[in-house]
Amino acid sequence: GQQLNQSPQSMFIQEGEDVSMNCTSSSIFNTWLWYKQEPGEGPVLLIALYKAGELTSNGRLTAQFGITRKDSFLNISASIPSDVGIYFCAGQLQGAQKLVFGQGTRLTINP
Amino acid sequence: DGGITQSPKYLFRKEGQNVTLSCEQNLNHDAMYWYRQDPGQGLRLIYYSQIVNDFQKGDIAEGYSVSREKKESFPLTVTSAQKNPTAFYLCASSPTSGRVGNEQFFGPGTRLTVL
Repeated sequence: GQQLNQSPQSMFIQEGEDVSMNCTSSSIFNTWLWYKQEPGEGPVLLIALYKAGELTSNGRLTAQFGITRKDSFLNISASIPSDVGIYFCAGQLQGAQKLVFGQGTRLTINP
Repeated sequence: DGGITQSPKYLFRKEGQNVTLSCEQNLNHDAMYWYRQDPGQGLRLIYYSQIVNDFQKGDIAEGYSVSREKKESFPLTVTSAQKNPTAFYLCASSPTSGRVGNEQFFGPGTRLTVL
């Protein structure tokens, strides 16, 4: 099926550092979503983006819908230990009900 | 509280047995979904349903079956035909209408282990 390329696959950072991850595709998306998953739990929706160029924040998290509609970025500022988890991007292709998920970025924070 | 519930949290079955995973939502969402997640992997769509009494195959439907007799419920049966059923199974729902129609909300998951 359709794939999203999410990078990096994993990140090891110090507490307080900023984090940046992205998803890219060769296809055009109508919607981009960013989720966080903690071990043994279901993903939790963090940010939803609906328009090319849109920049949306949720606390220390900021996400952008790429101008080309083929990519999206998630930034986390001043990371804290509870930011640890796996972050997934998901996109909805035009005319489709299904979401396409990236492979995830595993974030580890050293206190 | 509104939300999605999945039961049980952990499930063990013997090889060759069918098993049914429960998913219930009280969010009044039209659409429901089942995903499979393997260690270190993303989410792969098994089945989805946009309306009661209708459902479509996802990317990895072989060895699975579903029903959608009520809006609130979307059970998944893992059959003995599924060659590698040990995985973490996630159920989700979405409104399907309006701007937020594409936002899927997930349950806590069921971890299935085949012995």
